[in-house]
Amino acid sequence: QKEVEQDPGPLSVPEGAIVSLNCTYSNSAFQYFMWYRQYSRKGPELLMYTYSSGNKEDGRFTAQVDKSSKYISLFIRDSQPSDSATYLCEVNQFYFGTGTSLTVIP
Amino acid sequence: GAGVSQTPSNKVTEKGKYVELRCDPISGHTALYWYRQSLGQGPEFLIYFQGTGAADDSGLPNDRFFAVRPEGSVSTLKIQRTERGDSAVYLCASSWGQREGYTFGSGTRLTVV
Repeated sequence: QKEVEQDPGPLSVPEGAIVSLNCTYSNSAFQYFMWYRQYSRKGPELLMYTYSSGNKEDGRFTAQVDKSSKYISLFIRDSQPSDSATYLCEVNQFYFGTGTSLTVIP
Repeated sequence: GAGVSQTPSNKVTEKGKYVELRCDPISGHTALYWYRQSLGQGPEFLIYFQGTGAADDSGLPNDRFFAVRPEGSVSTLKIQRTERGDSAVYLCASSWGQREGYTFGSGTRLTVV
């Protein structure tokens, strides 16, 4: 079993929609949870960093951690065409998901 | 510089050759990380430096891969006897804490022909 699983998509939504991106992880001892945005031919950009459980909000982005289900989520409100990218989750430093490709249609 | 700089941006080499990939972290960042990313995959951890020493090299796939950071700043990833399976984007990241200021470079795209 892989340490982290992520649906690769692709995911296509209209502008203004709420986007939900998710990952599941295998080890209940994991404590660090990160979300990144990656544009084509660029390195990943850290969006959200959460230690342990709970929610964290930053502008249009909200990260949630459900340790009982070993499930993490990233929500994007009022999605914009500039949000079109691949979104990667990372758990416990160094374990990345495969990334979900998101397209926001104007 | 303002960001993490990786050179070269692209490298094409023949199977069996030796290559060096360079990473210039953000000034003052003590931690430096190397990853490998294949098409359609997330980054795969290779090695992590804290200062000059390799704090975790468990991701290096075999002894053909080696990395150094002699002065605690610039790092070089070295690959000997390259194989076609080594073709990927090699990413470097740096930070000054656990994840504080964590920034990736744009990567070196390595193609082994």
